[in-house]
Amino acid sequence: GQNIDQPTEMTATEGAIVQINCTYQTSGFNGLFWYQQHAGEAPTFLSYNVLDGLEEKGRFSSFLSRSKGYSYLLLKELQMKDSASYLCAVHGSGNTGKLIFGQGTTLQVKP
Amino acid sequence: DSGVTQTPKHLITATGQRVTLRCSPRSGDLSVYWYQQSLDQGLQFLIQYYNGEERAKGNILERFSAQQFPDLHSELNLSSLELGDSALYFCASSVAGSLAGVYNEQFFGPGTRLTVL
Repeated sequence: GQNIDQPTEMTATEGAIVQINCTYQTSGFNGLFWYQQHAGEAPTFLSYNVLDGLEEKGRFSSFLSRSKGYSYLLLKELQMKDSASYLCAVHGSGNTGKLIFGQGTTLQVKP
Repeated sequence: DSGVTQTPKHLITATGQRVTLRCSPRSGDLSVYWYQQSLDQGLQFLIQYYNGEERAKGNILERFSAQQFPDLHSELNLSSLELGDSALYFCASSVAGSLAGVYNEQFFGPGTRLTVL
């Protein structure tokens, strides 16, 4: 079956660092995406990992371990506008664009 | 603004009715995807079309159908609506039909909020 797990909610302080974990068990794996979604709005792309290791992009970094079925999104220097849901999505099937999404992690940043 | 447009933004209808949601992909994108997002289910993949043909299917109900037209816009038809169909419906688009081996981002539209009363 297909299973993607993320914590439901997290809280962090402005200026701090937070790590959002994602574990997956899927029948295929061709890459992992992280999306940010503010309430009632469209998801927007944050990062993509297909090989093991860390991808850094400004204040956001994403890590992948394919052998462990594990990824995390690291947010540094948190800002109030980072309060949103963070969605982990696996691209499982090689010849399609189908993405399987986790339930999302709602991050609340407090002053 | 992702470049993907969806109409209408909001739709309120009654149980048993039929509605059509419309999506125009970004210029140059050949793939269109439909997703359903309800409070208790997260973002669920429904169906993908690539250049007019169905490419992938998710857990789409038989009451739901979609198509992609020659101008690449897509429509999602929902019939015999039930209360549980109330959700945000997102359309996304991408350049290619597959994400395999090549970074190929999906761009999401603003969504259509469907309320079934």
